[in-house]
Amino acid sequence: ILNVEQSPQSLHVQEGDSTNFTCSFPSSNFYALHWYRWETAKSPEALFVMTLNGDEKKKGRISATLNTKEGYSYLYIKGSQPEDSATYLCASYNAGNNRKLIWGLGTSLAVNP
Amino acid sequence: GAVVSQHPSWVICKSGTSVKIECRSLDFQATTMFWYRQFPKQSLMLMATSNEGSKATYEQGVEKDKFLINHASLTLSTLTVTSAHPEDSSFYICSAREGTRREQYFGPGTRLTVT
Repeated sequence: ILNVEQSPQSLHVQEGDSTNFTCSFPSSNFYALHWYRWETAKSPEALFVMTLNGDEKKKGRISATLNTKEGYSYLYIKGSQPEDSATYLCASYNAGNNRKLIWGLGTSLAVNP
Repeated sequence: GAVVSQHPSWVICKSGTSVKIECRSLDFQATTMFWYRQFPKQSLMLMATSNEGSKATYEQGVEKDKFLINHASLTLSTLTVTSAHPEDSSFYICSAREGTRREQYFGPGTRLTVT
């Protein structure tokens, strides 16, 4: 059984704080790791697709790292803003799992002004 | 770019009736579309994958005769929940992928309530 776990489940930070959260995934037969940002009542927005061990990607104040050998990815937000409030989802794509994305439960981030 | 629309955004129906949900890619060709379901406090669960012009591939435990999927064009897929029952009440969300690209682009989802 393939499980993707995210921590923490929820997070409250003050505007201007930097924060990070974790996605853990099975490392065997790894193919790709996806990060999405999901605001309430909107479509999930694709942030990153990461495939290479040691990869680091950046989009504005958001960045992510990937460790495929130990099976984890970190998402960092620098200088959080209220508009960053959303649920951040990760999903793992492993070649052995019928080639489908397996999703974590997400980390719900609330940024207080 | 890469916008996916989904309609309706919410629907309430009576037990025994059928409900159709539409998923459209607005600015790209969706060669593959995915239908997910999410129950409260659970993760997105893939129901089925469809390629344009082909029959959908359903995940284990998903009844293909109950959840009818049609992907007749490169911009439209529909999910019909037939003879809906209260246990079918859930959040249904589609995503689309173009060719061999890795990204999936999501619609905003449909909240189905069966009374």
